[in-house]
Amino acid sequence: QKEVEQNSGPLSVPEGAIASLNCTYSDRGSQSFFWYRQYSGKSPELIMSIYSNGDKEDGRFTAQLNKASQYVSLLIRDSQPSDSATYLCAVNMEGANDMRFGAGTRLTVKP
Amino acid sequence: EAGVVQSPRYKIIEKKQPVAFWCNPISGHNTLYWYLQNLGQGPELLIRYENEEAVDDSQLPKDRFSAERLKGVDSTLKIQPAELGDSAVYLCASSLVSGYNEQFFGPGTRLTVL
Repeated sequence: QKEVEQNSGPLSVPEGAIASLNCTYSDRGSQSFFWYRQYSGKSPELIMSIYSNGDKEDGRFTAQLNKASQYVSLLIRDSQPSDSATYLCAVNMEGANDMRFGAGTRLTVKP
Repeated sequence: EAGVVQSPRYKIIEKKQPVAFWCNPISGHNTLYWYLQNLGQGPELLIRYENEEAVDDSQLPKDRFSAERLKGVDSTLKIQPAELGDSAVYLCASSLVSGYNEQFFGPGTRLTVL
């Protein structure tokens, strides 16, 4: 089992819709979780971090964490074509001071 | 606040040649990371520094890769000799401290080995 798993996509949504990106992780002791956005040919850009169960909202983005299910998600409301990118889920593994990344989900928002 | 700086942005070399990448982290960030990213994959950690000490280099192929972070600020990652399979993007990231802190990435160096 991979440490951090994401559906590779591509995920395609129409402009204005909600995009839902999912991530599961293997280490039950993980405490911090991050979402990065990566445009083609660019480096990852941090967009959300979440540390406790529940929802965290920032503008059009909402991160959701369920530690019991070892599941973290990212919702993008009112999706725009500029949101088209690969979204990387990253998890700090317990006992390891570094992050493990998923392979990313490629999102396409169609005008 | 300036972000993480990396150079060069692109490098093309022939196999068996040496290559070096440079990284300057965000000012005040004590922890520095080198990652490798292959196409379609997430970044994979090569080495992590806390100040000038390499505290996690378990994924660094030590027969050909080396790194240093003199004075606990700038860092250099070297490959000698390069192999075809080393073609990838090499990313540098930094965080205030290690652990649960957010990491911020530089623009990366795209290496092509011919």
